[in-house]
Amino acid sequence: DSGVTQTPKHLITATGQRVTLRCSPRSGDLSVYWYQQSLDQGLQFLIQYYNGEERAKGNILERFSAQQFPDLHSELNLSPLELGDSALYFCASSVGGQLQETQYFGPGTRLLVL
Amino acid sequence: SQQGEEDPQALSIQEGENATMNCSYKTSINNLQWYRQNSGRGLVHLILIRSNEREKHSGRLRVTLDTSKKSSSLLITASRAADTASYFCAPRGGSNFGNEKLTFGTGTRLTIIP
Repeated sequence: DSGVTQTPKHLITATGQRVTLRCSPRSGDLSVYWYQQSLDQGLQFLIQYYNGEERAKGNILERFSAQQFPDLHSELNLSPLELGDSALYFCASSVGGQLQETQYFGPGTRLLVL
Repeated sequence: SQQGEEDPQALSIQEGENATMNCSYKTSINNLQWYRQNSGRGLVHLILIRSNEREKHSGRLRVTLDTSKKSSSLLITASRAADTASYFCAPRGGSNFGNEKLTFGTGTRLTIIP
């Protein structure tokens, strides 16, 4: 158990809908990262937050948005959903700000868009 | 951040044998990390090796780093069925604060045959 929690574990929804994925980092970690893993794109970095502020942006689509709240949990919003958004979405956390830090991954949310 | 390229893409060995997988990268790094992913689950951090280190051990894992060749290898000794997983390397360079994201290649899919 990494200490990072993600909810829900599974999500089945339809195109055009909106979903919110939630992540709680390990106690004491200030940085939260979101990654997407799909069969065709592999494991890709989406976005990073550090202590409530966006720190780095990756291949995150404009239809997606994220935020980190004062209690340090983070949410990733996807809307409107498309078939190609079906993927595993991982959240990871680290203390924050240092290259040599380990990132601890949550179990992921499996999203299926029909 | 830069992407590592793992090689081979897939590897099957008998239980008890040693498994070696390699990682190559393109530009100078601060450190390189190895992660394991069991099917459909979150990534687990295995080991971090810094650019000024040549070899590091952790249990049955041995990681080497050759910065002149821009390559690293992960050796798993006395393999077990539970080692069946995908293995990813993540080279990291640049400055702190903004470069902490991990960039993954396609990984090495290791299968241990009982």
